[in-house]
Amino acid sequence: GAVVSQHPSWVICKSGTSVKIECRSLDFQATTMFWYRQFPKQSLMLMATSNEGSKATYEQGVEKDKFLINHASLTLSTLTVTSAHPEDSSFYICSARDLSGRGRGELFFGEGSRLTVL
Amino acid sequence: KQEVTQIPAALSVPEGENLVLNCSFTDSAIYNLQWFRQDPGKGLTSLLLIQSSQREQTSGRLNASLDKSSGRSTLYIAASQPGDSATYLCAVKWYGSARQLTFGSGTQLTVLP
Repeated sequence: GAVVSQHPSWVICKSGTSVKIECRSLDFQATTMFWYRQFPKQSLMLMATSNEGSKATYEQGVEKDKFLINHASLTLSTLTVTSAHPEDSSFYICSARDLSGRGRGELFFGEGSRLTVL
Repeated sequence: KQEVTQIPAALSVPEGENLVLNCSFTDSAIYNLQWFRQDPGKGLTSLLLIQSSQREQTSGRLNASLDKSSGRSTLYIAASQPGDSATYLCAVKWYGSARQLTFGSGTQLTVLP
């Protein structure tokens, strides 16, 4: 199936610093990518929808100035957690939809990025 | 409100047993439903995608069914193996919903050797 790659897979940072997470679709183009957050033993919660060439759409309660999303190309979206605090520690997962005939609209997920803020 | 529920939250079975995982959703106007597997600390692996017009999908030992009228989907795993141990997530995309997918809280499966 289609492959979505995330980097880094894990990161530890000090409180107050910013962290950037990359999400790439490796073998298909994705005009739209999605960013999710997952707390331990909980399901995925959609944070925002990343649109290539335009502003991201954020879910209610998600601070757009805190979680900056950039979707500069058809294969890359980035999530930057700005001025990170310990409560931002979480597992962040991106996904992309393969709209080609092969993909049939299936949603593929990256391996996730675990952020720990000290 | 459109919600997805998975029961039980955890399930433990002996190796070789056939098992069924349940997923229910509140609005029958779904576009598609997808089952995922998540290993600890990992991302999601797509297992099966069922379109609204379909009743079931099969892949190897996995079979997923969809009954829109009752708002239910089941994931059947035949001849379970310890390697099947993971959390299984059900996710629904509804027509007209701005959100791409709404996830259930998952069923954590443990297959005992």
